Amino acid sequence: SQTIHQWPATLVQPVGSPLSLECTVEGTSNPNLYWYRQAAGRGLQLLFYSVGIGQISSEVPQNLSASRPQDRQFILSSKKLLLSDSGFYLCAWTRARGGEQYFGPGTRLTVT
Amino acid sequence: RKEVEQDPGPFNVPEGATVAFNCTYSNSASQSFFWYRQDCRKEPKLLMSVYSSGNEDGRFTAQLNRASQYISLLIRDSKLSDSATYLCVVNNQAGTALIFGKGTTLSVSS
Repeated sequence: SQTIHQWPATLVQPVGSPLSLECTVEGTSNPNLYWYRQAAGRGLQLLFYSVGIGQISSEVPQNLSASRPQDRQFILSSKKLLLSDSGFYLCAWTRARGGEQYFGPGTRLTVT
Repeated sequence: RKEVEQDPGPFNVPEGATVAFNCTYSNSASQSFFWYRQDCRKEPKLLMSVYSSGNEDGRFTAQLNRASQYISLLIRDSKLSDSATYLCVVNNQAGTALIFGKGTTLSVSS
């Protein structure tokens, strides 16, 4: 069966510090991978998606970036965090684009 | 018109009640439809896919009306454990990703 991991589970970072969140998927190959952000009391906002190694599509212009160095690894980064970057960051995978997605447990980021 | 629109609620119902959630979507070309459930401070989890002919999974029934661009979820015999936020989801215009509604909050009380 497939599992998706995210770490860390929680993170408190000062404004202006860098960020690196990691997501890995087990039990499948060539998944489509997604990063979402959910701000407090808000809906899910799609940030990035990837259909393969090195292929990243950005949905929202911002100070975040994503990379996919390996087939089942997806990384979300920032060089300098803003207060508005606080939120619940979720990684998801799917076999087929537009198909049902399965989420990791998420990282709760607080920028202070 | 928002891409996926839901009544935010909250819906407060007693145990055993039947409750229905509605959702409208703007992209007439959407082909994939889902309901997800999200518990407080947890990740969303797939509840069920929604098929054109309508489908049922135990106490849950989903309906799709393509002409009206409308999706519904019916929960019968509500349980305390059904308390959560229910997210209506459709695929985007390009078919490359999913668009999530903001969710409808359900609270079931004894």
